[in-house]
Amino acid sequence: KAGVTQTPRYLIKTRGQQVTLSCSPISGHRSVSWYQQTPGQGLQFLFEYFSETQRNKGNFPGRFSGRQFSNSRSEMNVSTLELGDSALYLCASSFLGLGANTEAFFGQGTRLTVV
Amino acid sequence: DAKTTQPTSMDCAEGRAANLPCNHSTISGNEYVYWYRQIHSQGPQYIIHGLKNNETNEMASLIITEDRKSSTLILPHATLRDTAVYYCIVRVTANDYKLSFGAGTTVTVRA
Repeated sequence: KAGVTQTPRYLIKTRGQQVTLSCSPISGHRSVSWYQQTPGQGLQFLFEYFSETQRNKGNFPGRFSGRQFSNSRSEMNVSTLELGDSALYLCASSFLGLGANTEAFFGQGTRLTVV
Repeated sequence: DAKTTQPTSMDCAEGRAANLPCNHSTISGNEYVYWYRQIHSQGPQYIIHGLKNNETNEMASLIITEDRKSSTLILPHATLRDTAVYYCIVRVTANDYKLSFGAGTTVTVRA
């Protein structure tokens, strides 16, 4: 079956603009989580959605937001882009969410460059 | 979640076993040990996980010490495609729905 699909793969934006990234989870998976990866901070958790509800949020400013649709597809939005938002944004899906005994499946990521 | 300590980097010869250590001395009884890897510029890939028994799958083996304070991921016959950053993560049963990644171990498999 198809894996986690993230679009677009690459994106270049200007400071001050906003951006929307998309993630389609594995069919049947209802949990989608987002991570930011930068060389300095590594992989950091942004938020997790299940059945259109945000269940957990990482320590990021309010410029970072997300949502999930009834078909489990998710989008994340970053407003008022800053140079420091340049990163690889990764989406992960799981069936019911990451409990203690479940695995996550990651997409290939969206590489965002802010200039 | 318990913190983990991994070596920053290690080299391995192609065709040989790669043994990746992870220290998690503060692990509690309900925390699982997970291993993921990330090949350059790709998303992390799940490898294996376990609670207290040793585990094996088609990718690797996970050996957890009896006191659960450390574990070893074994790639039985490393190939060049196993070159990646390997992350050891411990997760509690509480529902936080997230993975907390450390810096991981950069493994380089050499021909």
